[in-house]
Formats: sequence, structure tokens, C-alpha cells
Amino acid sequence: EVQLVESGGGLVQPGGSLRLSCTASGLSLGVSWMTWVRQVPGKGLEWVANMNQDGSEKFHVDSVEGRFTISRDNRKNSLYLQMNGLRSQDTAIYYCATEGTNDYGVHWGQGALVIVSS
Amino acid sequence: ETVMTQSPATLSVSPGGRVTLSCRASQSVGNKLAWYQQNPGQAPRLLIYDASTRATGIPARFSGSGSGTEFTLTITSLQSGDFAVYVCQQYDIWPPTFGQGTKVDIK
Repeated sequence: EVQLVESGGGLVQPGGSLRLSCTASGLSLGVSWMTWVRQVPGKGLEWVANMNQDGSEKFHVDSVEGRFTISRDNRKNSLYLQMNGLRSQDTAIYYCATEGTNDYGVHWGQGALVIVSS
Repeated sequence: ETVMTQSPATLSVSPGGRVTLSCRASQSVGNKLAWYQQNPGQAPRLLIYDASTRATGIPARFSGSGSGTEFTLTITSLQSGDFAVYVCQQYDIWPPTFGQGTKVDIK
């Protein structure tokens, strides 16, 4: 069974940093593009960033560009999202997902809640 | 960015019934359109990609159609687990963007 598990969420003050992790079991992340998608509770989904199989290509949406960085360690079968300069607007559930043949999510984790508040 | 608009916001249907959900893109996205099902407190579940291809394990009761700017998701013989929020997503134009969702609830 394919399972993705996010960790590292929590409460952080504005301007602070967090690092989310996503660890996979039942599949090798190294064969897939990977993505982070976030969702404000009760609201819509927002694509955050994605990365190719070997990490040589990475893309971040404008709202997080320069503050968030996606990375991966295929040896550890893990994906990461380093979040710096956090803002209240970044409060959301962050999901990691494997991508299919294009930029859509196939397997999803259960999500990690990030709350940015003083 | 490409705005995805779903309609209606809520749809009430009886178990065993049929629903057709709409998704419109603000510009053409070809057939680069996915549909997800999301239950409360859960992650999205991929149903359809490339506008009409069912994901692995998705029953034939779910079907997608459309291209360009107009897309539909049809669900027949609604079962209890189908009462959820359905979200469309385009992935033709960066950044990928999602609709706000249509909630299908029990009539």
C-alpha cells in the first residue's frame, strides 16, 4: 500500500521558519515528480511547489517564491519544504503528493497543519 | 493565472441518482484537466486526469469529458461515499490551479 506521511507542521510566529517532511512507503519517490499543495481549512487548494525526479528542476508559485524551497532526498525516500519568512496567509494544511504524467496529484499524504500566528 | 470556476457550489442528490458537475477555465487548457474527490478532513483523491481518463481503481460510475474551457464530471448511481466535495484542476498553464469545489450532498 502506498503511503505518504507529512510531518513538521505546527505553530510558528510570523517571520519564523518550519521544515516539512514527507516520507513515503510502498513506493519509490525517486521515480516521480513530487509536489506540495496547501489548503486553508474550509477553503480551496493551492499548488505550492514541485520538483522533478533528481531535483534538477524545481518550481515555486509566486506567493512563496524566495521564501519556500522544495527539496528531496531519494535515498531517504523523502520530500521536504523549507518555509522561511512565514506569514499569516501561509496558515494551511500542507499536502505532499506524487505526480502522474503531468502536474496533477496521484498519491497524497494526510496533510500537515501549519499555523502562523503570534 | 488560470481561474477555474465550478458550478454549482452545492448540489443535492438522492442516493442512486446522477449528477453532472461543471468546471470552466478562464482560458483554454486543452485536455489538461483533473478531477478530485475530497471528504471532510481528508486529502484529495484523484478521480480523473487528462479530462476523461479514470485514475487507477476509480469505478466507471465516474466519467469526465470536455476540452478547452468547458469540462464536466458525471457520477451515476451515487453511493454514500460519493457525497463529498469535487474539485477540478488545470495543469496546462503554470501554475496549476484548482476550482473552489462543488459539494454534493444528500437530498
